[in-house]
Amino acid sequence: GESVGLHLPTLSVQEGDNSIINCAYSNSASDYFIWYKQESGKGPQFIIDIRSNMDKRQGQRVTVLLNKTVKHLSLQIAATQPGDSAVYFCAEAGTALIFGKGTTLSVSS
Amino acid sequence: EAQVTQNPRYLITVTGKKLTVTCSQNMNHEYMSWYRQDPGLGLRQIYYSMNVEVTDKGDVPEGYKVSRKEKRNFPLILESPSPNQTSLYFCASSWDSLNSPLHFGNGTRLTVT
Repeated sequence: GESVGLHLPTLSVQEGDNSIINCAYSNSASDYFIWYKQESGKGPQFIIDIRSNMDKRQGQRVTVLLNKTVKHLSLQIAATQPGDSAVYFCAEAGTALIFGKGTTLSVSS
Repeated sequence: EAQVTQNPRYLITVTGKKLTVTCSQNMNHEYMSWYRQDPGLGLRQIYYSMNVEVTDKGDVPEGYKVSRKEKRNFPLILESPSPNQTSLYFCASSWDSLNSPLHFGNGTRLTVT
C-alpha cells in the first residue's frame, strides 16, 4: 500500500550544525508535500510545504528539497538550535493525505 | 489568534462511559478531521468532514462517532469507550486537506481503564 516513511527514527546533532531529515514517499501521483514539527505535549505544527512543480523551497532557516525521480523529500534546518528539538514528520497528498511516522531530532548544546 | 481548540487536554475514564471530546476552529475552514496518535503507528485518521453535515470514515473509525452541525465545531464521540481507545487524539482543520496544510489542536490524552 501507499506509505510515507522517514529514513531514520532519530537524529542527534550539535547546536549550530545543519540538520537534514529525510523522507521517502511511494505514490508518484502525490503532488503536495508538507513538513510538520511536533514538540513534546503539543500538536503538529506546519513548517513548510512544496508542490510537485518545484524542487526546492526555502523558509526561515528551513529548506525543503523534492526529488521526484527517486521519490524523496528532505528537510534541511540551518544552524540547528535546542528549540528545534522535536519530532519531524512529512506528509504527502495526492488522492489522500498520508503521514510518515517521524524522526526525533535531538539538539545538544 | 488562528487556532484549533480541543477540550479536555487530559481525560481518564472507565470502560463503557460515554464521552465527548470537543474541537473548535476559528479560521472558517471547511475541512476538519480527527486523528489518533499511537507509538510506532503515527497519525491515523478516524473521521473527517469536508463541510457542514458532511462526514466520512477515515482509516480507523470503529468505536467513534462525529458530527458537524456547525462549520467551526467537530466533536468526537466515544459511545462506549474501551481500553484500546487509550491514545492521544488530535483535531485538525484546513481549507483543503490535499492542497493546504492542516492546523492541529494541542491534543487530548485519553486513558480508558
